[in-house]
Amino acid sequence: QKEVEQDPGPLSVPEGAIVSLNCTYSNSAFQYFMWYRQYSRKGPELLMYTYSSGNKEDGRFTAQVDKSSKYISLFIRDSQPSDSATYLCAMNSGNTPLVFGKGTRLSVIA
Amino acid sequence: DSGVTQTPKHLITATGQRVTLRCSPRSGDLSVYWYQQSLDQGLQFLIQYYNGEERAKGNILERFSAQQFPDLHSELNLSSLELGDSALYFCASSVEGSPSMITGELFFGEGSRLTVL
Repeated sequence: QKEVEQDPGPLSVPEGAIVSLNCTYSNSAFQYFMWYRQYSRKGPELLMYTYSSGNKEDGRFTAQVDKSSKYISLFIRDSQPSDSATYLCAMNSGNTPLVFGKGTRLSVIA
Repeated sequence: DSGVTQTPKHLITATGQRVTLRCSPRSGDLSVYWYQQSLDQGLQFLIQYYNGEERAKGNILERFSAQQFPDLHSELNLSSLELGDSALYFCASSVEGSPSMITGELFFGEGSRLTVL
């Protein structure tokens, strides 16, 4: 079992839809959880960061962490064509290199 | 623009050859990380350097090596190349010895796409 599992998609939604992306993980030492967004032919860039369990909201984006289930989610409200990208979850225990999921490819259709 | 510069952007070479990928981190960042991205494996951590010293090692093959120079730029050397080494190689940098515990942010370059024929 990989440390971090993420459904690669692809996921295609109409503009304005609510998008739900998620990852599961096996390492209970993970405390820091991030979502990176990667546009085509670009490097990943940090989108959201959460420490331990709980929710964090930033504009149209909400990140959720459920450590008891080892499950993290990213919700995108009112999705836009500009949200079309690959979304990678990432996590670590604080003093170790980030472990990434494989990424979910999202297309938002106008 | 993340501030991380990688060269070359594209590289095509033959099996058995050796290549060197170069990375200049963001100004002020002391840590450099190398990641390999392929369709089947995703983004895999290879190695990290902090201020010239190796800090952490991931799934890096023995045929691969890296170093960080006094000016903090880093090079990833890939030798005896195989078809399976074809991938995107990303360099990332951060200020701290580990990704910042405040923002969790690594700053990635745009990658070097390696094709081995």
